[in-house]
Amino acid sequence: QSALTQPASVSGSPGQSITISCTGTSSDVGAFNYVSWYQQHPGKAPTLVIYDVTNRPSGVSYRFSGSKSGNTASLTISGLQAEDEADYYCSSYTSTSTEVFGGGTKLTVL
Amino acid sequence: QVQLVQSRGEVKKSGASVKVSCKASGYTFVNYKMTWVRQAPGQGLEWMGWISPGTVKTDYAQKFQGRVTMTTDTATNTAQMELRSLTFDDTAVYYCARRRGESCFDAWGQGTLVTVSS
Repeated sequence: QSALTQPASVSGSPGQSITISCTGTSSDVGAFNYVSWYQQHPGKAPTLVIYDVTNRPSGVSYRFSGSKSGNTASLTISGLQAEDEADYYCSSYTSTSTEVFGGGTKLTVL
Repeated sequence: QVQLVQSRGEVKKSGASVKVSCKASGYTFVNYKMTWVRQAPGQGLEWMGWISPGTVKTDYAQKFQGRVTMTTDTATNTAQMELRSLTFDDTAVYYCARRRGESCFDAWGQGTLVTVSS
């Protein structure tokens, strides 16, 4: 199972919005609404910020939102804040009952 | 609250085996699959497989088939992951994560650094 494709890096200024894409295939992202997104600060474990494509866990800021079109899912962060600077990973359930992660995207808040 | 507490870091020789443990609390252990994910230094997340504590069923990533064994102990609510025939490429932080259905990993352990040396 190949990794999902994410841009290596994105950046934005405080207050702006950014979008991170996550491209898979018809056997993973395109097949199920089981795409999730994780935030990871340096030296820390990942934390869940979006699940089932669009849902936000309790405690996660409304500034985080998710969507999907075909084989590509997206994470949008609006009203960028310094604390959003982190690595972001997407993940998808697959048709072989396994999981696959994206390669990760480093978000820099300018 | 849900907590996953992992064992301490280890240094192993090439060719050896390592066992990482993950003690769960704050939820009904047998109701959620436990997933193992690793992250090599400076690299991304890599899914290794999962185990269902209730059924003891496992599913391993093809890359680790034959080299990894995941087990659980429902008496102590502990999951374990054993990786054998270690090479330098296995140097990584290993995480356990609670899997919610087919949906997501909604709780993570703090990570265990495994260093493989000569």
